[in-house]
Amino acid sequence: RKEVEQDPGPFNVPEGATVAFNCTYSNSASQSFFWYRQDCRKEPKLLMSVYSSGNEDGRFTAQLNRASQYISLLIRDSKLSDSATYLCVGLNAGNNRKLIWGLGTSLAVNP
Amino acid sequence: DARVTQTPRHKVTEMGQEVTMRCQPILGHNTVFWYRQTMMQGLELLAYFRNRAPLDDSGMPKDRFSAEMPDATLATLKIQPSEPRDSAVYFCASGLASAGGGYTFGSGTRLTVV
Repeated sequence: RKEVEQDPGPFNVPEGATVAFNCTYSNSASQSFFWYRQDCRKEPKLLMSVYSSGNEDGRFTAQLNRASQYISLLIRDSKLSDSATYLCVGLNAGNNRKLIWGLGTSLAVNP
Repeated sequence: DARVTQTPRHKVTEMGQEVTMRCQPILGHNTVFWYRQTMMQGLELLAYFRNRAPLDDSGMPKDRFSAEMPDATLATLKIQPSEPRDSAVYFCASGLASAGGGYTFGSGTRLTVV
């Protein structure tokens, strides 16, 4: 079992829809979490950090639930340009501070 | 915007040949990662440097792969000899350890070994 697990999708939604992704993690030592976005044949790019209190950036809302060990990403009013793979990432505590990556969830927003 | 620069962008080589990939991290970043990405495995960490010192290369096949940072502006990943199963996209990423997980990736090197 991978330390960070995501539903690979694909999620196919119409423009304007609200879509939510979940990600679960197994290592309780994971200290921080992030969502990265990766377009086809491009590099991953940081989308947002995830805090226990929840954080919002425009149409994007991220939430961390430590008790249930899951992270969520909500996209409201989805745009065609949101089509990409969304990668859930955990950062382990300690000197090592390695990033642990999920395999990603594929989103296709359709006209 | 500051960028992580990787060369070459594409490489096709024959099995058994040496492959060298280069990365110029963002100036001032003290942490550099090498990742390999395939459809099946996703992003796999190969090597990880902080202040040019290797911190973790447990994900790297030691018999054929080597990673170095000869100076703060250059990180290299070498494969010798290359094999078809090494075909993948290799990404370099850099960042500041104090910034947590917000790292910047290069555009990657798409390697095909035939």
